[in-house]
Amino acid sequence: QKEVEQDPGPLSVPEGAIVSLNCTYSNSAFQYFMWYRQYSRKGPELLMYTYSSGNKEDGRFTAQVDKSSKYISLFIRDSQPSDSATYLCGFGNEKLTFGTGTRLTIIP
Amino acid sequence: DTGVSQDPRHKITKRGQNVTFRCDPISEHNRLYWYRQTLGQGPEFLTYFQNEAQLEKSRLLSDRFSAERPKGSFSTLEIQRTEQGDSAMYLCASSYGQGAYYGYTFGSGTRLTVV
Repeated sequence: QKEVEQDPGPLSVPEGAIVSLNCTYSNSAFQYFMWYRQYSRKGPELLMYTYSSGNKEDGRFTAQVDKSSKYISLFIRDSQPSDSATYLCGFGNEKLTFGTGTRLTIIP
Repeated sequence: DTGVSQDPRHKITKRGQNVTFRCDPISEHNRLYWYRQTLGQGPEFLTYFQNEAQLEKSRLLSDRFSAERPKGSFSTLEIQRTEQGDSAMYLCASSYGQGAYYGYTFGSGTRLTVV
């Protein structure tokens, strides 16, 4: 069983839609949970991170963690074409273990 | 502060040659990380430094790979006797403290193609 599972997509949604991205993990030792956005041929950019179960909101983005189910989600509201990218979930303490990434396209 | 800088951006080399990449972290960051990313995959951890000390190396980092961070500033990653399987994006990241707590800042990466 992989430590991290992430649906690779691709996922295409119309502009303005709510997007839901998800990851599951198996390692109970992971203390921090994060989401990165990666544009083509660029390095990943940190979007959000948290260390506790529950929701964390930042503008149009909401990160949700359920430690009991070992499941995290990222919700994007009012999606924009500029949100088109690959989204990576990351887990860890010092070093990070990443999912394979979900490629998201927002259609104008 | 111009972010994490990596050089070169692209490198094409023949199989069997040695290559070296450089990473300049954000100046006040004491932790520096190297990751490798292949097409369609997430980044995989290679190694990390706290100041000049290399604290952990992944099993992915074979004997052909070596990383240094002299004086705790920039870092180099060298691959000796390159193989086609080494073709990937090599990402450097830095952090003020424990990476997951403070969050990494990644560079744009060095894309290596071994022909």
